[in-house]
Amino acid sequence: AQSVTQPDIHITVSEGASLELRCNYSYGATPYLFWYVQSPGQGLQLLLKYFSGDTLVQGIKGFEAEFKRSQSSFNLRKPSVHWSDAAEYFCAVARSGAGSYQLTFGKGTKLSVIP
Amino acid sequence: NAGVTQTPKFQVLKTGQSMTLQCAQDMNHNSMYWYRQDPGMGLRLIYYSASEGTTDKGEVPNGYNVSRLNKREFSLRLESAAPSQTSVYFCASSSLNRGIYQPQHFGDGTRLSIL
Repeated sequence: AQSVTQPDIHITVSEGASLELRCNYSYGATPYLFWYVQSPGQGLQLLLKYFSGDTLVQGIKGFEAEFKRSQSSFNLRKPSVHWSDAAEYFCAVARSGAGSYQLTFGKGTKLSVIP
Repeated sequence: NAGVTQTPKFQVLKTGQSMTLQCAQDMNHNSMYWYRQDPGMGLRLIYYSASEGTTDKGEVPNGYNVSRLNKREFSLRLESAAPSQTSVYFCASSSLNRGIYQPQHFGDGTRLSIL
């Protein structure tokens, strides 16, 4: 069975500092990988996805993530954090089935931003 | 664009009561999903429907039933609510486009408390 580990429960950074959120996955085949962001009281918004091809993927809001098969990782990065980035971030891996796929999520990393 | 709409947004039930959570999507997606989100647990898949007329169990199906009413609507029913089912419930939908799975789109959630 697939699994996702986000080692950091809570991260605090200063506005303008760089950010890296860690994600490690376990999956037997080539994974589909996602990062979602959730603001308080809201649903999940897709930041970026990796399906195949270029291992460095760009997303919305200036985020990027790099897929490293050898390390089973898909870390999320942003060069300069804004106060509005404060939210909870979820990494997910997909398992495909007949005409559908099921997501397994990590437990999330809450990001706080110091002005 | 409405996307994925969930009703109600909030609900309080007493133990043993029944309730149906409604979900509708207007993106013509084939697949729909129900997740629950508990603090520190991330999102866990309850049930999913790969296409109209099919439903399958996810990671945590016990105590729930689902109905894929048509292509647009996917409901989640609690027959006899228990305090352990206090959670935030998210509905999501996705499509398969030219053989490529598209990201899941999420509703804003239903916050359910069971006393």
